[in-house]
Amino acid sequence: SAVISQKPSRDICQRGTSLTIQCQVDSQVTMMFWYRQQPGQSLTLIATANQGSEATYESGFVIDKFPISRPNLTFSTLTVSNMSPEDSSIYLCSGQENTEAFFGQGTRLTVV
Amino acid sequence: KQEVTQIPAALSVPEGENLVLNCSFTDSAIYNLQWFRQDPGKGLTSLLLIQSSQREQTSGRLNASLDKSSGRSTLYIAASQPGDSATYLCAVPRGNTGKLIFGQGTTLQVKP
Repeated sequence: SAVISQKPSRDICQRGTSLTIQCQVDSQVTMMFWYRQQPGQSLTLIATANQGSEATYESGFVIDKFPISRPNLTFSTLTVSNMSPEDSSIYLCSGQENTEAFFGQGTRLTVV
Repeated sequence: KQEVTQIPAALSVPEGENLVLNCSFTDSAIYNLQWFRQDPGKGLTSLLLIQSSQREQTSGRLNASLDKSSGRSTLYIAASQPGDSATYLCAVPRGNTGKLIFGQGTTLQVKP
C-alpha cells in the first residue's frame, strides 16, 4: 500500500507562531485528509485537501486557522496558525487507496 | 449521525491470552470498517479492512469480524504478546467518502 512521509514528527512552538506540516505520498492519491488528535482523545477530521482548489473544512475548523495546500496528487501541507496551548495535539494526514485509509506518522505539536 | 463506540476503553492481560476488542456503530449502512493500531504519540497503522459485503478478515494473529445488522465489529487477537501493547482504533467512513469516523479506542497492555 502507499506510504506517507510526514514531517516534522514533533515540535515545540511558542504561542502566536505558526507551524507548517508536510505530507508526501509515494504515489498519486485522489483523496487526502487532515485529522487532529487532542490529548487522550480520538481523531477528529479537520478538512479534506482538494488538489487544485480550496480545502473543504469540517464544522469548527476554519481556513484562517488551518490553511491547507494541495498542489498535486502526492503532496499536502497543513499550517497551524497563531498557535495557542489549546492547539497542542497530534496532527495526522491520511490518504485513501481504493477504499483503504493509510496515515502518516503524525506530528506531535506542543505549544508553550 | 454515525457514532462509533469502543469497549473496553482499556484492557490489561497477561502474555499469551486471547482477547477480543469491541467496536459498535449506530448506522449499519456502512461501506467498510477499518481497524488501526496506534503506538503512543505516533501515527496510525492499518491492521484490517472489512468491506460491507464481508463477514471477517484475517491477518496473522488478528481476526476481525463484521456484523452490519447488529452494528458491531470485533477484533480478535490470538496469543497476545507484549509487542501488541498499543491503542486499537476502529473507524467507519462517512457515507461513501474517505472521511473516517473513529471510536475512542481501546488501550491494550500485554504484560510479560
